[in-house]
Amino acid sequence: KQEVTQIPAALSVPEGENLVLNCSFTDSAIYNLQWFRQDPGKGLTSLLLIQSSQREQTSGRLNASLDKSSGRSTLYIAASQPGDSATYLCAVRPDIGGGADGLTFGKGTHLIIQP
Amino acid sequence: DTGVSQNPRHKITKRGQNVTFRCDPISEHNRLYWYRQTLGQGPEFLTYFQNEAQLEKSRLLSDRFSAERPKGSFSTLEIQRTEQGDSAMYLCASSLGRGALETQYFGPGTRLLVL
Repeated sequence: KQEVTQIPAALSVPEGENLVLNCSFTDSAIYNLQWFRQDPGKGLTSLLLIQSSQREQTSGRLNASLDKSSGRSTLYIAASQPGDSATYLCAVRPDIGGGADGLTFGKGTHLIIQP
Repeated sequence: DTGVSQNPRHKITKRGQNVTFRCDPISEHNRLYWYRQTLGQGPEFLTYFQNEAQLEKSRLLSDRFSAERPKGSFSTLEIQRTEQGDSAMYLCASSLGRGALETQYFGPGTRLLVL
């Protein structure tokens, strides 16, 4: 059974710092990996999707890397801003047939950026 | 594109009552997913539809839960004889199957409280 772990569980940093969120998964047979953002009491917003054949994806101040063989992904946030405060979730999609299956999520990293 | 919508946004019910939630996916999205999220946890996959066919059910989906997607458009999730352990946020997501590039778009969720 796939298990996804996110470290740290919570993080509080001053505005302007660069930071790294970590995600690990136990089964390397994945179709893709997604990073999501969730604001309190809200749904999820997709940030980045990395295909299993890719090593990284970038969007603005966000960069996500994937090392499938070691079961790890990182989300790098550059020049953090108070608006980045949210819970960040990592999710993997299993490589089953055409990849048509639900995502397995970690518990998330609760991020607070201090003004 | 108005995004994924869910109704109601909040539901309070008494133990033993039946409840039904609705999800309207992004138009033209052929895949629809239901997830459940409890406090401090990541979402857990419940079930998945491709068009009107329910193709996957998690073991979390007990006999008291039933989901439908008539005509491959909106979907409903019904919980019969609710229990306090059913209290959670129920999230719906939709996607346009594109293999490894498939991104799931989430709705705002329905928060259920069973008293």
